[in-house]
Amino acid sequence: KNEVEQSPQNLTAQEGEFITINCSYSVGISALHWLQQHPGGGIVSLFMLSSGKKKHGRLIATINIQEKHSSLHITASHPRDSAVYICAVNEGSQGNLIFGKGTKLSVKP
Amino acid sequence: NAGVMQNPRHLVRRRGQEARLRCSPMKGHSHVYWYRQLPEEGLKFMVYLQKENIIDESGMPKERFSAEFPKEGPSILRIQQVVRGDSAAYFCASSPIGRTAGSNQPQHFGDGTRLSIL
Repeated sequence: KNEVEQSPQNLTAQEGEFITINCSYSVGISALHWLQQHPGGGIVSLFMLSSGKKKHGRLIATINIQEKHSSLHITASHPRDSAVYICAVNEGSQGNLIFGKGTKLSVKP
Repeated sequence: NAGVMQNPRHLVRRRGQEARLRCSPMKGHSHVYWYRQLPEEGLKFMVYLQKENIIDESGMPKERFSAEFPKEGPSILRIQQVVRGDSAAYFCASSPIGRTAGSNQPQHFGDGTRLSIL
C-alpha cells in the first residue's frame, strides 16, 4: 500500500464545474503539499499546509490531520486547469517529499 | 529572480555512457532535493543535499548513482554506465532552509531533465 493515495486517478470535467481531488496518507506528517504538473512536465508548488485551509484564487486546499486526509478544490474550472495534480507529504522530520501518483485532470470547454 | 534551473532539458545517452544532470537552485536557497519520475509512475525521492554535504541519500540506488552540491556551482546528479531502466524525468527542487530549522519550507521545482537511454 502506498503511503500517499490519491483519488480519482483520472478526472474529466466540463468548464465551470467544481472539482475535488482527494489525498489520504498513512504516515505521520509535518506538512502536506499540493503540486501541479503541466503537460510540458514542469512542476509548480500550489500549497503547503499543516492544518486548516488555504485559498489562492480559484484553488482551495484543506487538511484534516486527525483523519489524515486532504482535499484540493478548484472552483469554476477552466481548460487551462488541465494538468496532473500531485499530493506530497513531509513524513515526520524528513525534508524530502513522499508523493502520490497524481490525478490527471482534463477540463473540456 | 530566476527559479530553479536544470540542464539539459533533454539528454540522450547510449547504454554504458555517463549522464550528468545539473541543477542550480533558486538564489538564496542552500538545500537541494533530487527526485526521479519513471514513466507512468509517481515521483520518488533520491537524495537531499546542502552545500558540500549529503544529508539523506536513502532513495538513491547504491550503485552507479552519485550526487554532489559543491560550495560553488550547481548540484550534479551523475549516473555512470547508464541502462535502459534509467530512462526517466529527473527533477531538482530547492528550498531556503530544511528541517533543521524546525519547520518545512515549500520546495521550488525545476522543469526537469528528461533522460533517454538508447
